[in-house]
Amino acid sequence: DIVMTQTPLSLSVTPGQPASISCKSSESLLFSDGETYLYWYLQKAGQPPQLLISEVSKRLSGVPDRFSGSGSGTDFTLKISRVEAEDVGVYYCLQSTQLPLTFGGGTRVEIK
Amino acid sequence: QVQLQESGPGLVKPSQTLSLTCTVSGGSISSGNYRWSWIRQPAGKGLEWIGRVSASGITRYNASLESRVTISLDTSKNQFSLMLSSVTATDTAVYYCARGVVGATAPGYWGHGTLVTVSS
Repeated sequence: DIVMTQTPLSLSVTPGQPASISCKSSESLLFSDGETYLYWYLQKAGQPPQLLISEVSKRLSGVPDRFSGSGSGTDFTLKISRVEAEDVGVYYCLQSTQLPLTFGGGTRVEIK
Repeated sequence: QVQLQESGPGLVKPSQTLSLTCTVSGGSISSGNYRWSWIRQPAGKGLEWIGRVSASGITRYNASLESRVTISLDTSKNQFSLMLSSVTATDTAVYYCARGVVGATAPGYWGHGTLVTVSS
């Protein structure tokens, strides 16, 4: 199975400041079709995860443009340009390049 | 917009079979290039993908659970289901059903989740 490692485990951010979360995979997530199946989710308290970014960098409709994803191969990053109070929760990366799907361990973001 | 809702017993005895159903509304479960997954999350912990069924009924499971898992479609009711046999306390978790993004298994839409506790 592909192991997904997220850092840091937690992040305390002042509103308006940037935040960055790293996700590293144990194998390349580049699929034979040329796509990279790496996704980012935010799970708010008491809710299911919500998909923010698809295939490394494609922001879902309705997701604020302060969220951006980047990376390739085995190293990926989610950046929030200016954190807002509504961004608190646990962020997960997910790979679906290879079954079974595997999630990162999560990064908890809180507001200072 | 598609919506998913999990249902089933909230308490299951050890060694018995956990059985959950996901009812889908806002779209047909058997049409489109979609894959329907079950995912679980123990309290305070991370997410584990259990397996999925495609719109055509083809299943794929996480090898760690494969010997105990069955996922199936019921197109007449627009539902898909999860059965997990021989449960133990370690199977206690919130169970989510989800629909994949177009052409992929990665969940795009999730149900709200249902807590299943394994206890005698």
